[in-house]
Amino acid sequence: SQQGEEDPQALSIQEGENATMNCSYKTSINNLQWYRQNSGRGLVHLILIRSNEREKHSGRLRVTLDTSKKSSSLLITASRAADTASYFCATLWNNDMRFGAGTRLTVKP
Amino acid sequence: SQTIHQWPATLVQPVGSPLSLECTVEGTSNPNLYWYRQAAGRGLQLLFYSVGIGQISSEVPQNLSASRPQDRQFILSSKKLLLSDSGFYLCAWQGGGYGYTFGSGTRLTVV
Repeated sequence: SQQGEEDPQALSIQEGENATMNCSYKTSINNLQWYRQNSGRGLVHLILIRSNEREKHSGRLRVTLDTSKKSSSLLITASRAADTASYFCATLWNNDMRFGAGTRLTVKP
Repeated sequence: SQTIHQWPATLVQPVGSPLSLECTVEGTSNPNLYWYRQAAGRGLQLLFYSVGIGQISSEVPQNLSASRPQDRQFILSSKKLLLSDSGFYLCAWQGGGYGYTFGSGTRLTVV
């Protein structure tokens, strides 16, 4: 069964704008991860944030984690058309990783 | 470096036929391996995971099975496919406390 719930399900923005996606989950976690999937392809790992971390940056990506609210957000700054993809959050607890349904991001040139 | 291979990329199979999807990992030993299924426009559903040779944990009861005959080989099988088995199947391995690495996926269409 799925664990995370992404919000929104779909997001359409103009190139150069920032994109924010949210994820909520229900159980304990070791860490939370964000993945990107281009249409019909495998998932690519973007960033991992551990349960004792609150914020993490990687290039144009910024991830926050609030374990008290069981939520995370992924911010993509200065978006590009090439950022168009589906983005998934995934929670890891021991060896069990669960994915949300994803946010479909469309960046218009 | 570690790589993961998954094949075939696409597969069209008739209802009732058998299935075998293979996943192999290179460049690591004793990886945790996973099979996920993704329905169109949806998230990933965990089907099976394995922490070692011959060790399989099943998440969903169904007509699919998994086997791990070798340390770096993970196989997803079915004796008789159903229409509902159509989907995008992804193999993944977990390494070193970082994120999962996914294969490129197999698009299965049962007709």
